[in-house]
Amino acid sequence: IAGITQAPTSQILAAGRRMTLRCTQDMRHNAMYWYRQDLGLGLRLIHYSNTAGTTGKGEVPDGYSVSRANTDDFPLTLASAVPSQTSVYFCASSEDPGQGGNEQFFGPGTRLTVL
Amino acid sequence: GQNIDQPTEMTATEGAIVQINCTYQTSGFNGLFWYQQHAGEAPTFLSYNVLDGLEEKGRFSSFLSRSKGYSYLLLKELQMKDSASYLCAVRDGDYKLSFGAGTTVTVRA
Repeated sequence: IAGITQAPTSQILAAGRRMTLRCTQDMRHNAMYWYRQDLGLGLRLIHYSNTAGTTGKGEVPDGYSVSRANTDDFPLTLASAVPSQTSVYFCASSEDPGQGGNEQFFGPGTRLTVL
Repeated sequence: GQNIDQPTEMTATEGAIVQINCTYQTSGFNGLFWYQQHAGEAPTFLSYNVLDGLEEKGRFSSFLSRSKGYSYLLLKELQMKDSASYLCAVRDGDYKLSFGAGTTVTVRA
């Protein structure tokens, strides 16, 4: 693994189903983030984690949950998917911003369609 | 709340210069970022400004005026590969980035 990876690449999901998007990084970054990107709205932060064991809410957290059991993994779960969650989801990581970590590295994205 | 504005689209000719403006009104300020995103790909980091002034990095430069809530990204000697979306983002605390909707730049031959 080099950098940050996401799985699946794309998914079509029936409304009401549960779905977990996976994100793994091998850069030993403390901070990780989940964004969704919608046409005309740009990237919006869903949840973030500044270190393993802690998470925080972003701009649009409703309907999503995250966990951070270790440094490398930061899964995003949709407990009961709805069509409005159709989007492209990007995971990102960075060094601790409080210690000069300014650049966020983005994964390749997951394209999710909820029908 | 956060309000970050940038033009939706810009078109320029290969070899020319383009300036993408970004204005922001945010509850806090801890840095302004520019990212490049090619169609169907992930965003990649271009620049970071936290103090007023110009930061130059090769063909790309970024300017910040905190008192005016204003930044611009300057792309010089445009190349076809510069056709992409350019995202302005503001960090209002340690971890949270708020992004503008992005500016799609099309470079014509």
